[in-house]
Amino acid sequence: QQQVKQSPQSLIVQKGGISIINCAYENTAFDYFPWYQQFPGKGPALLIAIRPDVSEKKEGRFTISFNKSAKQFSLHIMDSQPGDSATYFCAASMRRGSTLGRLYFGRGTQLTVWP
Amino acid sequence: DSGVTQTPKHLITATGQRVTLRCSPRSGDLSVYWYQQSLDQGLQFLIHYYNGEERAKGNILERFSAQQFPDLHSELNLSSLELGDSALYFCASSPRISTDTQYFGPGTRLTVL
Repeated sequence: QQQVKQSPQSLIVQKGGISIINCAYENTAFDYFPWYQQFPGKGPALLIAIRPDVSEKKEGRFTISFNKSAKQFSLHIMDSQPGDSATYFCAASMRRGSTLGRLYFGRGTQLTVWP
Repeated sequence: DSGVTQTPKHLITATGQRVTLRCSPRSGDLSVYWYQQSLDQGLQFLIHYYNGEERAKGNILERFSAQQFPDLHSELNLSSLELGDSALYFCASSPRISTDTQYFGPGTRLTVL
Protein backbone atom coordinates (compact mmCIF):
# COMPACT_ATOMS: atom_id res chain seq x y z
CA GLN A 1 0.00 0.00 0.00
CA GLN A 2 1.50 3.26 -1.16
CA GLN A 3 1.27 5.73 1.73
CA VAL A 4 2.26 8.70 -0.44
CA LYS A 5 0.85 9.02 -3.94
CA GLN A 6 2.70 11.15 -6.45
CA SER A 7 1.76 12.48 -9.87
CA PRO A 8 2.55 12.84 -12.68
CA GLN A 9 4.95 9.99 -13.37
CA SER A 10 6.75 12.09 -15.95
CA LEU A 11 6.72 15.76 -16.86
CA ILE A 12 8.15 17.68 -19.79
CA VAL A 13 8.48 21.43 -19.44
CA GLN A 14 10.05 24.11 -21.58
CA LYS A 15 12.91 26.15 -20.22
CA GLY A 16 11.54 29.06 -18.22
CA GLY A 17 8.26 27.31 -17.53
CA ILE A 18 6.74 26.19 -14.24
CA SER A 19 6.99 22.54 -13.19
CA ILE A 20 4.34 21.29 -10.78
CA ILE A 21 4.42 17.92 -9.04
CA ASN A 22 1.65 16.78 -6.71
CA CYS A 23 1.53 14.40 -3.77
CA ALA A 24 -1.23 13.14 -1.52
CA TYR A 25 -1.17 11.20 1.73
CA GLU A 26 -3.67 9.51 4.04
CA ASN A 27 -1.91 9.16 7.38
CA THR A 28 -2.61 12.28 9.44
CA ALA A 29 0.25 11.35 11.78
CA PHE A 30 2.74 12.48 9.13
CA ASP A 31 4.32 15.75 10.20
CA TYR A 32 7.32 16.20 7.96
CA PHE A 33 7.17 16.43 4.18
CA PRO A 34 10.46 16.61 2.27
CA TRP A 35 11.13 16.65 -1.44
CA TYR A 36 14.18 14.87 -2.78
CA GLN A 37 15.94 15.34 -6.12
CA GLN A 38 17.81 12.46 -7.71
CA PHE A 39 20.13 12.61 -10.71
CA PRO A 40 21.07 9.42 -12.61
CA GLY A 41 23.71 7.45 -10.76
CA LYS A 42 23.36 9.50 -7.59
CA GLY A 43 21.55 9.18 -4.30
CA PRO A 44 18.51 11.31 -3.51
CA ALA A 45 19.35 14.74 -2.12
CA LEU A 46 17.05 16.87 0.00
CA LEU A 47 15.67 19.80 -1.98
CA ILE A 48 13.18 21.43 0.38
CA ALA A 49 10.94 20.33 3.23
CA ILE A 50 7.88 21.58 5.08
CA ARG A 51 6.07 20.90 8.34
CA PRO A 52 2.25 21.04 8.48
CA ASP A 53 2.10 24.21 10.56
CA VAL A 54 2.79 26.33 7.46
CA SER A 55 1.02 26.36 4.11
CA GLU A 56 3.93 27.40 1.93
CA LYS A 57 7.70 27.38 1.95
CA LYS A 58 9.91 28.95 -0.67
CA GLU A 59 13.61 28.48 -1.31
CA GLY A 60 14.86 30.19 -4.43
CA ARG A 61 12.96 28.84 -7.43
CA PHE A 62 11.46 25.96 -5.40
CA THR A 63 8.20 26.27 -3.48
CA ILE A 64 6.22 23.73 -1.49
CA SER A 65 2.49 24.35 -1.14
CA PHE A 66 0.82 22.39 1.64
CA ASN A 67 -2.91 21.81 2.12
CA LYS A 68 -3.47 20.08 5.44
CA SER A 69 -7.23 19.67 5.11
CA ALA A 70 -6.90 18.06 1.68
CA LYS A 71 -3.84 16.06 2.75
CA GLN A 72 -1.98 17.21 -0.32
CA PHE A 73 1.28 18.98 -1.01
CA SER A 74 3.01 20.04 -4.16
CA LEU A 75 6.35 21.20 -5.48
CA HIS A 76 6.52 24.15 -7.83
CA ILE A 77 9.71 24.84 -9.77
CA MET A 78 9.67 28.33 -11.21
CA ASP A 79 11.74 29.31 -14.26
CA SER A 80 12.60 25.65 -14.86
CA GLN A 81 16.10 25.05 -16.25
CA PRO A 82 17.63 22.12 -18.15
CA GLY A 83 19.78 21.48 -15.08
CA ASP A 84 16.59 20.75 -13.14
CA SER A 85 16.04 17.64 -15.25
CA ALA A 86 16.02 14.85 -12.67
CA THR A 87 13.68 12.57 -10.77
CA TYR A 88 11.79 14.18 -7.92
CA PHE A 89 10.41 12.28 -4.96
CA CYS A 90 7.99 13.52 -2.38
CA ALA A 91 8.11 11.84 1.00
CA ALA A 92 6.50 11.91 4.42
CA SER A 93 7.50 10.86 7.90
CA MET A 94 6.45 11.30 11.51
CA ARG A 95 8.31 12.43 14.61
CA ARG A 96 6.53 10.03 16.97
CA GLY A 97 5.73 6.38 17.09
CA SER A 98 7.57 3.22 16.22
CA THR A 99 8.24 4.36 12.67
CA LEU A 100 9.63 7.79 13.53
CA GLY A 101 12.20 8.99 11.06
CA ARG A 102 11.25 6.47 8.41
CA LEU A 103 10.62 8.14 5.05
CA TYR A 104 7.64 7.00 2.98
CA PHE A 105 8.39 7.94 -0.62
CA GLY A 106 6.14 8.64 -3.57
CA ARG A 107 6.94 6.75 -6.79
CA GLY A 108 8.81 9.68 -8.29
CA THR A 109 8.37 12.12 -11.17
CA GLN A 110 10.87 12.23 -14.00
CA LEU A 111 11.20 15.87 -15.02
CA THR A 112 12.67 16.85 -18.37
CA VAL A 113 13.24 20.53 -19.11
CA TRP A 114 13.76 21.29 -22.80
CA PRO A 115 16.13 24.15 -23.65
CA ASP B 1 28.80 15.13 -1.83
CA SER B 2 26.55 14.18 1.10
CA GLY B 3 29.38 12.91 3.31
CA VAL B 4 27.85 9.41 3.39
CA THR B 5 29.99 6.73 1.79
CA GLN B 6 28.90 3.35 0.53
CA THR B 7 30.95 0.45 -0.74
CA PRO B 8 31.07 -1.23 -3.10
CA LYS B 9 29.56 0.91 -5.83
CA HIS B 10 28.63 -2.10 -7.95
CA LEU B 11 28.20 -5.73 -7.03
CA ILE B 12 27.46 -8.59 -9.39
CA THR B 13 26.78 -11.98 -7.92
CA ALA B 14 24.85 -15.18 -8.51
CA THR B 15 21.60 -16.48 -7.08
CA GLY B 16 21.98 -18.18 -3.73
CA GLN B 17 25.02 -16.14 -2.74
CA ARG B 18 25.50 -13.80 0.21
CA VAL B 19 26.81 -10.23 0.04
CA THR B 20 27.58 -7.44 2.48
CA LEU B 21 27.02 -3.77 1.74
CA ARG B 22 28.82 -1.19 3.82
CA CYS B 23 27.83 2.32 4.81
CA SER B 24 29.76 5.02 6.65
CA PRO B 25 27.51 7.82 7.90
CA ARG B 26 28.40 11.50 7.99
CA SER B 27 30.71 12.40 10.82
CA GLY B 28 28.69 12.73 14.01
CA ASP B 29 25.46 11.23 12.65
CA LEU B 30 24.04 8.55 14.93
CA SER B 31 21.14 7.37 12.76
CA VAL B 32 21.58 5.11 9.74
CA TYR B 33 18.72 4.12 7.44
CA TRP B 34 18.76 1.56 4.63
CA TYR B 35 16.51 1.86 1.57
CA GLN B 36 16.03 -0.28 -1.50
CA GLN B 37 15.25 1.30 -4.86
CA SER B 38 13.82 -0.80 -7.66
CA LEU B 39 11.74 -0.07 -10.74
CA ASP B 40 8.69 -1.96 -9.52
CA GLN B 41 8.75 -0.98 -5.83
CA GLY B 42 10.31 2.47 -5.91
CA LEU B 43 12.20 3.64 -2.83
CA GLN B 44 11.39 1.38 0.11
CA PHE B 45 12.57 1.67 3.69
CA LEU B 46 14.32 -1.42 4.98
CA ILE B 47 15.69 -0.74 8.46
CA HIS B 48 16.83 2.01 10.84
CA TYR B 49 19.63 1.92 13.39
CA TYR B 50 20.37 4.54 15.99
CA ASN B 51 23.64 4.51 17.92
CA GLY B 52 24.05 0.78 17.47
CA GLU B 53 20.48 -0.24 18.21
CA GLU B 54 17.81 -1.33 15.76
CA ARG B 55 14.92 1.17 15.92
CA ALA B 56 12.54 0.25 13.13
CA LYS B 57 12.06 -2.34 10.46
CA GLY B 58 10.28 -1.87 7.19
CA ASN B 59 9.70 -4.27 4.35
CA ILE B 60 12.91 -6.15 5.00
CA LEU B 61 13.04 -9.79 4.05
CA GLU B 62 14.13 -12.39 6.61
CA ARG B 63 17.07 -13.18 4.32
CA PHE B 64 18.32 -9.63 4.93
CA SER B 65 19.91 -8.39 8.13
CA ALA B 66 21.82 -5.34 9.24
CA GLN B 67 23.89 -4.04 12.08
CA GLN B 68 25.51 -0.83 13.22
CA PHE B 69 28.93 -1.03 14.79
CA PRO B 70 30.44 1.00 17.67
CA ASP B 71 32.18 3.28 15.16
CA LEU B 72 28.67 3.89 13.71
CA HIS B 73 29.28 2.37 10.31
CA SER B 74 26.60 -0.04 9.21
CA GLU B 75 26.45 -3.20 7.14
CA LEU B 76 23.52 -4.70 5.28
CA ASN B 77 23.79 -8.44 4.75
CA LEU B 78 21.79 -10.05 1.97
CA SER B 79 21.74 -13.84 1.78
CA SER B 80 20.23 -16.56 -0.40
CA LEU B 81 20.05 -13.95 -3.13
CA GLU B 82 17.32 -14.09 -5.73
CA LEU B 83 17.01 -12.37 -9.09
CA GLY B 84 14.41 -10.04 -7.60
CA ASP B 85 16.93 -8.69 -5.10
CA SER B 86 18.67 -6.83 -7.92
CA ALA B 87 18.26 -3.17 -7.01
CA LEU B 88 19.99 -0.05 -5.80
CA TYR B 89 20.60 -0.03 -2.07
CA PHE B 90 21.01 3.31 -0.36
CA CYS B 91 21.94 4.18 3.12
CA ALA B 92 21.16 7.54 4.64
CA SER B 93 22.26 9.15 7.86
CA SER B 94 20.95 11.87 10.13
CA PRO B 95 22.18 13.44 13.36
CA ARG B 96 19.35 12.34 15.62
CA ILE B 97 16.64 9.76 15.83
CA SER B 98 13.75 11.99 14.77
CA THR B 99 12.90 13.49 11.44
CA ASP B 100 15.99 15.43 10.62
CA THR B 101 17.25 15.70 7.10
CA GLN B 102 18.43 12.34 5.87
CA TYR B 103 21.62 12.50 3.82
CA PHE B 104 21.82 9.74 1.24
CA GLY B 105 24.92 7.98 0.06
CA PRO B 106 25.63 7.25 -3.62
CA GLY B 107 24.21 3.74 -3.36
CA THR B 108 25.33 0.22 -4.18
CA ARG B 109 23.96 -1.30 -7.35
CA LEU B 110 23.41 -5.02 -6.81
CA THR B 111 22.93 -7.30 -9.79
CA VAL B 112 21.99 -10.89 -9.14
CA LEU B 113 22.49 -13.19 -12.15
